[in-house]
Amino acid sequence: GQQVMQIPQYQHVQEGEDFTTYCNSSTTLSNIQWYKQRPGGHPVFLIQLVKSGEVKKQKRLTFQFGEAKKNSSLHITATQTTDVGTYFCAGRGGATNKLIFGTGTLLAVQP
Amino acid sequence: EAGVTQFPSHSVIEKGQTVTLRCDPISGHDNLYWYRRVMGKEIKFLLHFVKESKQDESGMPNNRFLAERTGGTYSTLKVQPAELEDSGVYFCASNQVLGTEAFFGQGTRLTVV
Repeated sequence: GQQVMQIPQYQHVQEGEDFTTYCNSSTTLSNIQWYKQRPGGHPVFLIQLVKSGEVKKQKRLTFQFGEAKKNSSLHITATQTTDVGTYFCAGRGGATNKLIFGTGTLLAVQP
Repeated sequence: EAGVTQFPSHSVIEKGQTVTLRCDPISGHDNLYWYRRVMGKEIKFLLHFVKESKQDESGMPNNRFLAERTGGTYSTLKVQPAELEDSGVYFCASNQVLGTEAFFGQGTRLTVV
């Protein structure tokens, strides 16, 4: 079945450092979404990418969708303690309408 | 506007008992999804309702899990009998248009002892 993997599983950075998480799907995706889950919280939608090669920015966050629509990345510039949480990509593809979540990357930011 | 609400927030039950989780989606959202996150791992899809119909239940782990959405409003997820490996956080999400942002509830943390 369709699998969505993320690396790294865990990243610990000093406040002010950059952070990137990578998402790879075993199948081509029609679109990809990114969610953030704070510790003890629930997933909160960040953004959706649809087009091949698409790049979107939200303040310090940059999201990219690969040309082949099988991978994506989230880059955070100059991390802050408020960025702490688990970042999930979630893809929809093939004949299925269901959203398949990636394995998640837990980001810890040390002040 | 109220978000997706789930009840209870926590449940601790013994192995072999029955538990029913409830989800109230955002009003007007036809699509309702159940997900589960076990031991801090990935968020796994369980099933998808469109109104009262099960669109996709391919993620339901076994026949101990039964989901319903009578009337196409709120949904329940019953686990009977519960096993230790059923422990985890059960999330419900909803959206109006397929393929758009999914709004998640706060989740129900289920612990089976």
